[in-house]
Amino acid sequence: DTAVSQTPKYLVTQMGNDKSIKCEQNLGHDTMYWYKQDSKKFLKIMFSYNNKELIINETVPNRFSPKSPDKAHLNLHINSLELGDSAVYFCASSQGLGGAGNQPQHFGDGTRLSIL
Amino acid sequence: GENVEQHPSTLSVQEGDSAVIKCTYSDSASNYFPWYKQELGKRPQLIIDIRSNVGEKKDQRIAVTLNKTAKHFSLHITETQPEDSAVYFCAATGTYKYIFGTGTRLKVLA
Repeated sequence: DTAVSQTPKYLVTQMGNDKSIKCEQNLGHDTMYWYKQDSKKFLKIMFSYNNKELIINETVPNRFSPKSPDKAHLNLHINSLELGDSAVYFCASSQGLGGAGNQPQHFGDGTRLSIL
Repeated sequence: GENVEQHPSTLSVQEGDSAVIKCTYSDSASNYFPWYKQELGKRPQLIIDIRSNVGEKKDQRIAVTLNKTAKHFSLHITETQPEDSAVYFCAATGTYKYIFGTGTRLKVLA
C-alpha cells in the first residue's frame, strides 16, 4: 500500500535510447511532481501537474515529456538519452498546488537511471 | 528569484551532541517550511514542518524555529544518535512549487 510508487526502480540503458518512468499515487492528492537528484544530491524540480494540467516546466530539455493521464498518475518519457541524464528521478505528490495547501510532499522511492 | 540557502553543507557531531542546520529564504510570501531527511539510497521523508503563523515547533528530539522577519528557519536535533546520519533538506513554498535547499550531510560519530 505504498503511497507514491514509481517504476522501474533501476534503469540502465545506452545513450540515445528512449525510456519511460511511471508514477502513481494513492493519496488522493491533486498535484504531482518530477524531481531530478544528481550526484551532488541537489533536488531540482522538473515538472509539476495539478489535476492533469501542466503547471511547471522548469527549463527542462524537450527530450523530456511528462504525461498525466489522470491526477493519480504522472509518467515521464525521455528521448535520446544522454550521459548527463544519469541521476535519480523522484516522483512526488501533494494536496494543493505547490504548497498552497500548506501540506508536505510525499516522495516515491526514486528511479536510478544510468546511461552507458 | 525564489531561492533557499542552506548551511552548512556538511556537519559532523559526536553522538549525544546537538546539531543545527540553518536555512534562509528569499520569497516573503513563503508560508510553509518542511524539513526532509534522506538516508542513503532512500527517498526524502518529511520529519517536521512549520507554518508561518508559528515561531517554533518541537517533536521529541527535533525542533524547528522560524523567524519570518529575517526569513530564517532552522532545524535543531538534540541528543543525536548514529541513525540521525543522513542528508537533510529544508524547503519553502514558492510560486506553485516547493523550493529546496541544497542539503546538509549530517554525520553522527559514535
